[in-house]
Order: sequence, then structure tokens, then C-alpha cells
Amino acid sequence: GQNIDQPTEMTATEGAIVQINCTYQTSGFNGLFWYQQHAGEAPTFLSYNVLDGLEEKGRFSSFLSRSKGYSYLLLKELQMKDSASYLCAVMDSNYQLIWGAGTKLIIKP
Amino acid sequence: ETGVTQTPRHLVMGMTNKKSLKCEQHLGHNAMYWYKQSAKKPLELMFVYNFKEQTENNSVPSRFSPECPNSSHLFLHLHTLQPEDSALYLCASSQDAGTHSFYGYTFGSGTRLTVV
Repeated sequence: GQNIDQPTEMTATEGAIVQINCTYQTSGFNGLFWYQQHAGEAPTFLSYNVLDGLEEKGRFSSFLSRSKGYSYLLLKELQMKDSASYLCAVMDSNYQLIWGAGTKLIIKP
Repeated sequence: ETGVTQTPRHLVMGMTNKKSLKCEQHLGHNAMYWYKQSAKKPLELMFVYNFKEQTENNSVPSRFSPECPNSSHLFLHLHTLQPEDSALYLCASSQDAGTHSFYGYTFGSGTRLTVV
């Protein structure tokens, strides 16, 4: 079966750095996506990785290792507005998105 | 401002009611999706429409009935729902359901459905 695992909840301090991990087992691989979802709002696209390595986009970076079935989202200089759920999703061989359950990130002052 | 609009934002309905959820996208996308989001669970894909044709029905109970009159509009008709159907229902769109997308899907803000 297809499976995406990520921690249910994480807590971090404003101004700090946090890493949210995602491991996956899917039928084929056509890229890995990270989305941010604030409570009561739409999930919004953060990043896309299809090749191994680190993609940096401002305060957010995403890493992929296809051989390990592993990705992480790195958030630097945390702000209160970063409190949200972060969803990991993998596009399988049929171009369908397979979703993790999301990681709720709580930022404390 | 999301390019995908869902109405209503909140809906409370009895188990014998009939209601409809509406989704509209102005992104020029050809694929539209209905997802169910329950607390602490992965997004559950319910239906997929690609170029107005339904291409996916993931064993969804018949009390949920989708309709896609054109590439910009998608409806989810609800009847005789159960309390366990209470969840956030998300609509999404993408360029084409059968091809690769660098940007994944664009989501609406969802309809929070409560069945009483």
C-alpha cells in the first residue's frame, strides 16, 4: 500500500528553526509537495521537489532523498504566523497526490 | 485570494436533508477534485473530473453525488448523510489530472459540514 508518515504535532519557539520530516512509500514517484494550511483556510502550495537535494525559498527550504523515501521542510526565523498545519504529498505513477495526515506546528513566543 | 471559491463556508444539515456544495475556479484548469478532510487524517480523494469527465470515484457512498457541468464548476450533492460525514470538504483544481504538475493543486477554503 501507499503510505506517507509525518509527525502529528510539533512545537517551536518564535525566531528559532524547525524541521518537519516526511517519509513515504508510494507506487512510483513524480515529485513531492509541501503545503501549508492555516486553520479554516485552503491548503496553499509551498514547495516541490523531484530531484534529490535542497530547494531554498526564502525562510523555507525543502529537502528530498528519493533513495531513502524521505523529505523534510525546514522553517527558519519562525514567526507566529507560521503556526499552521504542514501537509506532505507525493505524486505517484498515476499522477495522483498521496497525502500525509499533516503536522500541526505550534509557535510559542 | 484563492483562485478556487467554495460555497457555503459552513453548513449544518439534518440526516434527512438534501444540500449541495459548490466550487468554482477561474484558473483555466481542466481537472477538478473533491476531497474530504477529517481531523488527524490524510486528505481523502472522493472524485476527480478531467475535462468534465469523471475519472475517479474512490468507493464513495452514493449519498454523495458529484456534478461537473463545465470545466469551471463542480458540485457535490448531499442527501441522507450520516454524522460521520461531518468534515471539511475541499475542492481543488489542477491543469490536467493525467499529467505532471509542478504546482500540484490549487485548493478552495472548503465547506465545514456538520451533520446532526
